[in-house]
Amino acid sequence: QKEVEQDPGPLSVPEGAIVSLNCTYSNSAFQYFMWYRQYSRKGPELLMYTYSSGNKEDGRFTAQVDKSSKYISLFIRDSQPSDSATYLCAMSEGAGGFKTIFGAGTRLFVKA
Amino acid sequence: GAVVSQHPSRVICKSGTSVKIECRSLDFQATTMFWYRQFPKQSLMLMATSNEGSKATYEQGVEKDKFLINHASLTLSTLTVTSAHPEDSSFYICSANKNEKLFFGSGTQLSVL
Repeated sequence: QKEVEQDPGPLSVPEGAIVSLNCTYSNSAFQYFMWYRQYSRKGPELLMYTYSSGNKEDGRFTAQVDKSSKYISLFIRDSQPSDSATYLCAMSEGAGGFKTIFGAGTRLFVKA
Repeated sequence: GAVVSQHPSRVICKSGTSVKIECRSLDFQATTMFWYRQFPKQSLMLMATSNEGSKATYEQGVEKDKFLINHASLTLSTLTVTSAHPEDSSFYICSANKNEKLFFGSGTQLSVL
């Protein structure tokens, strides 16, 4: 079993839809949870950074962490064609990037 | 704006040659940088942790003599792929920690002919 599981998709939605992306994990020691967006042949871009459980909102993006279920989500409201990318979840026990585990990434296509 | 700069973005080389990739932290000092490799439609695979002023820490299965890492200053780490072969063709990405968050460079696509 992988430490972090993420459905690779692809996920195709119409413009304006609400997108839900998810990851599950097995290591209960994870405390820091991140979501990255990666365009083709580019480095990942940090979207959301969350410590422990709870919700965090930033513009059209909302990150949720449920540590009891070992489940994290990223919601994208009013999705745009420019949101078409691969979304990677990532998590670690400590801050600073050490021993960060990444999901395989979910490919998202938003159709105009 | 970008906080980590990576160069070059793309390189094509002949088998047997060496290729150097640079990773710079912009406007902040990075005592630690990370080097990853990514295959198509796969996630990031950590290759090594680059430590300023000391030897890099390599992940299991990564050949330290093939992938030379130098972190000579607080803003620059380099990855040199020595005697590159076609199987080394991949997307290489660096990252650095700023304010406890991990920021990535734009990546380098290496193609070995």
